[in-house]
Amino acid sequence: QKEVEQDPGPLSVPEGAIVSLNCTYSNSAFQYFMWYRQYSRKGPELLMYTYSSGNKEDGRFTAQVDKSSKYISLFIRDSQPSDSATYLCAMKRGSTLGRLYFGRGTQLTVWP
Amino acid sequence: SAVISQKPSRDICQRGTSLTIQCQVDSQVTMMFWYRQQPGQSLTLIATANQGSEATYESGFVIDKFPISRPNLTFSTLTVSNMSPEDSSIYLCSVATASYEQYFGPGTRLTVT
Repeated sequence: QKEVEQDPGPLSVPEGAIVSLNCTYSNSAFQYFMWYRQYSRKGPELLMYTYSSGNKEDGRFTAQVDKSSKYISLFIRDSQPSDSATYLCAMKRGSTLGRLYFGRGTQLTVWP
Repeated sequence: SAVISQKPSRDICQRGTSLTIQCQVDSQVTMMFWYRQQPGQSLTLIATANQGSEATYESGFVIDKFPISRPNLTFSTLTVSNMSPEDSSIYLCSVATASYEQYFGPGTRLTVT
């Protein structure tokens, strides 16, 4: 079993839709959770970060972490064609400078 | 945040040759990481490079194949040695700033023929 599981999609939604992206993990030692956005032929861009359980909101984006279920989510409200990208979840253990463990990434297309 | 540049951005190389990828950061960072991303796949960590010490390699990656240098707090190189077509991939440099944030460079797209 991989430490981080993420459905690769592809996911295709109309503009304005609410998008839900999810990851599950098996290692209860993970405490820091991130979402990266990767446009085609670009490096991953840090989008959201959450420590331990809880929610974090930033504009149209909301990250949720449920450590009891080992499940994290990223919600995108009022999705735009510019949100079309691959979204990667990542997480790490307690050391703040430690390595990241990535999901496979979910390819999202928002069509106008 | 940190701004990271990589050189070259892409290259096409013949099997058996070596390529050195450079990573430059606009600020001093303690830890730098090298990842590989194959088409349609997630990121796989190759090694962690701390300034002044030997790089730490992940399972499946060895120093003879992927030698790394870290001469100072803003620069690192990764060499892909004796290349084969299986080494065709995107190679990404990443840095960890103070606290949790980890940033990525734009990547080097390598094709081995």
